[in-house]
Amino acid sequence: AQSVTQLGSHVSVSEGALVLLRCNYSSSVPPYLFWYVQYPNQGLQLLLKYTSAATLVKGINGFEAEFKKSETSFHLTKPSAHMRDAAEYFCAVSEEPASGGSYIPTFGRGTSLIVHP
Amino acid sequence: DGGITQSPKYLFRKEGQNVTLSCEQNLNHDAMYWYRQDPGQGLRLIYYSQIVNDFQKGDIAEGYSVSREKKESFPLTVTSAQKNPTAFYLCASSIVTGGAYEQYFGPGTRLTVT
Repeated sequence: AQSVTQLGSHVSVSEGALVLLRCNYSSSVPPYLFWYVQYPNQGLQLLLKYTSAATLVKGINGFEAEFKKSETSFHLTKPSAHMRDAAEYFCAVSEEPASGGSYIPTFGRGTSLIVHP
Repeated sequence: DGGITQSPKYLFRKEGQNVTLSCEQNLNHDAMYWYRQDPGQGLRLIYYSQIVNDFQKGDIAEGYSVSREKKESFPLTVTSAQKNPTAFYLCASSIVTGGAYEQYFGPGTRLTVT
């Protein structure tokens, strides 16, 4: 069974500081991993995804994430935070559907990124 | 432009009334989903559909119903049996369920029931 844990419901950083949002997963098979961003009162938008190619994945808006199998982690980082990065961030895990089955992505509870001027 | 539309953006209803939330996609995706979002609880799956005329219950299906008569459309009805319907509802689609295929989300409908 797959599951996702996002450590910290809120993360606060100063503008220009490093952003680190943590995600740990549990999956019985090699997983597919996703990070989504949600701005207030909007839907989710894909930031990046890991699909077993390069372990360091670059996404939109300067974000990147590194897949570490030994740590079962997929943490999201950005070298320098901007005010416009303030949003809710969700990590999700998905497995390859078994024959005749369906595997629905499992989402973490989300981390709210707060950026101070 | 391809995408998902949800209407209306805000919806107000009296307790005891059924209400239907619209979700339309023009991405030619087979799979569609409905999620409920409450503060601090992330996304909870209500229903999903892999193909037309077929759908499955998610984690919190009680008090909700759906239909999938067309590939493009997946409306959600919040019935009077749903004990706490006030929430933000998100519709999503993907090429197929699971695997490497990301989900595309609509802008959401905020439902308030008083």
